[in-house]
Amino acid sequence: ETGVTQTPRHLVMGMTNKKSLKCEQHLGHNAMYWYKQSAKKPLELMFVYNFKEQTENNSVPSRFSPECPNSSHLFLHLHTLQPEDSALYLCASSQDRTGPNTEAFFGQGTRLTVV
Amino acid sequence: RKEVEQDPGPFNVPEGATVAFNCTYSNSASQSFFWYRQDCRKEPKLLMSVYSSGNEDGRFTAQLNRASQYISLLIRDSKLSDSATYLCVVEVNTGGFKTIFGAGTRLFVKA
Repeated sequence: ETGVTQTPRHLVMGMTNKKSLKCEQHLGHNAMYWYKQSAKKPLELMFVYNFKEQTENNSVPSRFSPECPNSSHLFLHLHTLQPEDSALYLCASSQDRTGPNTEAFFGQGTRLTVV
Repeated sequence: RKEVEQDPGPFNVPEGATVAFNCTYSNSASQSFFWYRQDCRKEPKLLMSVYSSGNEDGRFTAQLNRASQYISLLIRDSKLSDSATYLCVVEVNTGGFKTIFGAGTRLFVKA
């Protein structure tokens, strides 16, 4: 059983919909991440939160909006997405983001399809 | 040039074979190195860290060559259960730590 839980596991949404992805970690970690994984492409880091503060936003379009209310929860709010946003969205956590050798623990992902 | 580059494969090998994956990275400020494994439709999981002196974990051996900026993973006596995608991961210290994933190498081990 993973220490990082994502819901929903699958999501189909229209381009005009608003939806949210949820991530919860039970590992006592202080850093949480959103990654996008498209077919045959490397994982793309989207956002990083360290101790609830957003520390990285890798030029992600504003139709993706993260929220981190506490160290255990991370959300990704979605609105007016495009079909090319269809991908696997993975949440991860790690002890923190202040040092090297940081093992990341991933959730099982949300398979998103935009129609 | 991609920051972390891997041969996408797929590698198709019979059970019992030895298979090696290479990975090259472009940033000389890279500090930490890992191999992650991702099964089909599952999340990535850490397989092993890669240390400068090389390290072994059972049938898996990881090597690092800083001068040539490449990392390797050797799997001996392949099992069917080794079939997965192997992701090369590099951590770069640019004032803050940045983790970069390779696109992965797909391995199929067949009976």
